Amino acid sequence: GAVVSQHPSRVICKSGTSVKIECRSLDFQATTMFWYRQFPKKSLMLMATSNEGSKATYEQGVEKDKFLINHASLTLSTLTVTSAHPEDSSFYICSARDPGVNEQFFGPGTRLTVL
Amino acid sequence: GENVEQHPSTLSVQEGDSAVIKCTYSDSASNYFPWYKQELGKRPQLIIDIRSNVGEKKDQRIAVTLNKTAKHFSLHITETQPEDSAVYFCAASIYKYIFGTGTRLKVLA
Repeated sequence: GAVVSQHPSRVICKSGTSVKIECRSLDFQATTMFWYRQFPKKSLMLMATSNEGSKATYEQGVEKDKFLINHASLTLSTLTVTSAHPEDSSFYICSARDPGVNEQFFGPGTRLTVL
Repeated sequence: GENVEQHPSTLSVQEGDSAVIKCTYSDSASNYFPWYKQELGKRPQLIIDIRSNVGEKKDQRIAVTLNKTAKHFSLHITETQPEDSAVYFCAASIYKYIFGTGTRLKVLA
């Protein structure tokens, strides 16, 4: 299957700082990528849909000014958590949609811990 | 928007027995229903999926059934093994995936 990478896999930061997470599709071009957040023992909650070359579409309740998404190329989307606080600590997972097979492929996730 | 409910939240079975997890969805336009297995700290792994033009699909010990009229779909695992222990998520999709709340499956040896 298609390969999606995410970087970093784990990050610890101080409260008030910003953190950037990268999501890359390695062997296909993804016009659409998705960002999810998963709290411990909870489900994956869709945060936003990232479309190459246009603004992201955010789900209800997700602050677009806090979670900045950039999808500048067909293989890279970034999520920046701005002014992170401890309640932002979570597992962030991206997925990339392969239009050739109409299926999403998930990255390995990024564990964010805000102190 | 789409809403997906999943039951049960936890399920314990003896090794060799079958396990069934059920999901219901709200949006009749949803046309793709994947099931994922997730181990602690790992990405979800697709184990089986079904599209709305099919009523049942099987892959070795795993099967999925879909009832479009009732808007529910189920995952069936037969001859369970300890390595089947994990959290399982269903999802319903038109374009974006909406996940169910998850089922923690424990297979007791």
